[in-house]
Amino acid sequence: DQQVKQNSPSLSVQEGRISILNCDYTNSMFDYFLWYKKYPAEGPTFLISISSIKDKNEDGRFTVFLNKSAKHLSLHIVPSQPGDSAVYFCAPHTSGTYKYIFGTGTRLKVLA
Amino acid sequence: GAGVSQSPSNKVTEKGKDVELRCDPISGHTALYWYRQSLGQGLEFLIYFQGNSAPDKSGLPSDRFSAERTGGSVSTLTIQRTQQEDSAVYLCASSPRDRGRSRNNSPLHFGNGTRLTVT
Repeated sequence: DQQVKQNSPSLSVQEGRISILNCDYTNSMFDYFLWYKKYPAEGPTFLISISSIKDKNEDGRFTVFLNKSAKHLSLHIVPSQPGDSAVYFCAPHTSGTYKYIFGTGTRLKVLA
Repeated sequence: GAGVSQSPSNKVTEKGKDVELRCDPISGHTALYWYRQSLGQGLEFLIYFQGNSAPDKSGLPSDRFSAERTGGSVSTLTIQRTQQEDSAVYLCASSPRDRGRSRNNSPLHFGNGTRLTVT
């Protein structure tokens, strides 16, 4: 039962261009959505989040968009930088619960 | 302050041996999680500890896996009679206590993981 899907296992983008990472979910109880970034040999680190009461949250070069009716969220990185090369996980969550479910991740490679 | 600390960072063991993985969470964080990431897979939930409450062990893949958390701080994940399919990166995470539905969706703070290889 895959509640979270990141259908693109990898993505390559030229430096300076936009990176768009997608995430689809099935559980309508999710009301808070997090993105994590993971470098090799390190643990995931929190990047940005969005509550279900919003459809957009922006933090510098990172913007997350939420389409509740489509049960879809996306992470936009612009402009992309080589240091953004990492694996990105989306992690939908239901407030008041403790279990965090993670997608399978998308490996982003930003080419210099 | 210090982040989540895990040891060892790498562990190679022979099939059939027991292994212990250690996690030292961020001081003051009452919630502690174990996840694992197998090659090409996402993060798989294993177990959750919250304060003195009974842990949620629903993610443990078999009875060869067990975990404990002593004194509400350090946690140990034990795998008995290791199998090759146990090879993975085992990640520990901690977070402050979830104060309820209306607030505090605190992100998890992860350690760097233990890479376990069973030969």
